[in-house]
Amino acid sequence: KAGVTQTPRYLIKTRGQQVTLSCSPISGHRSVSWYQQTPGQGLQFLFEYFSETQRNKGNFPGRFSGRQFSNSRSEMNVSTLELGDSALYLCASSLDPAVLTDTQYFGPGTRLTVL
Amino acid sequence: AQSVTQLGSHVSVSEGALVLLRCNYSSSVPPYLFWYVQYPNQGLQLLLKYTTGATLVKGINGFEAEFKKSETSFHLTKPSAHMSDAAEYFCAAYNAGNMLTFGGGTRLMVKP
Repeated sequence: KAGVTQTPRYLIKTRGQQVTLSCSPISGHRSVSWYQQTPGQGLQFLFEYFSETQRNKGNFPGRFSGRQFSNSRSEMNVSTLELGDSALYLCASSLDPAVLTDTQYFGPGTRLTVL
Repeated sequence: AQSVTQLGSHVSVSEGALVLLRCNYSSSVPPYLFWYVQYPNQGLQLLLKYTTGATLVKGINGFEAEFKKSETSFHLTKPSAHMSDAAEYFCAAYNAGNMLTFGGGTRLMVKP
């Protein structure tokens, strides 16, 4: 079974621009979660989508948004980029993490650099 | 909400030596706990997880972890380190809201 895929793997943007990242979950998985990883803040939860609905959101400004499509693929968007948005953005899929014994499987990440 | 603490941001061991990576969680209610490994320029790979039942959990690549409720700990061990074990290791717990809370990570270095 193919794993979680994320595109693109690398992005370079300038301050003020916006960016869209894409995540395709493992086949059959309906939940997609997004995390931001930075050297200073570590791994932080952004949001989680299940059946096209955002169920939970972490403590990030409204510039960070996402959506999920009917095929469970998800995109996240960051508008008005700031230097501090430079990070590795990780996507994770699971059947349904509301089932606490479920497991999140991670993609390779998208490395975003904001200049 | 759960918080997870990993003691030691860097751990160095010799090849063949015991690996011990420490993780403590906060809560009076046993959470669901995970260990992930991250190799350079890659995502997170699940090593093992604890849900309920047996407190000694075996994972991939010879790693295991023991859940100790009295110590609120979930330390990761491997009897004999290999050069290929060099990576960053993350302990994580499920919080309400279907999100994983991660520890700060421990970078494992293996010396020949």
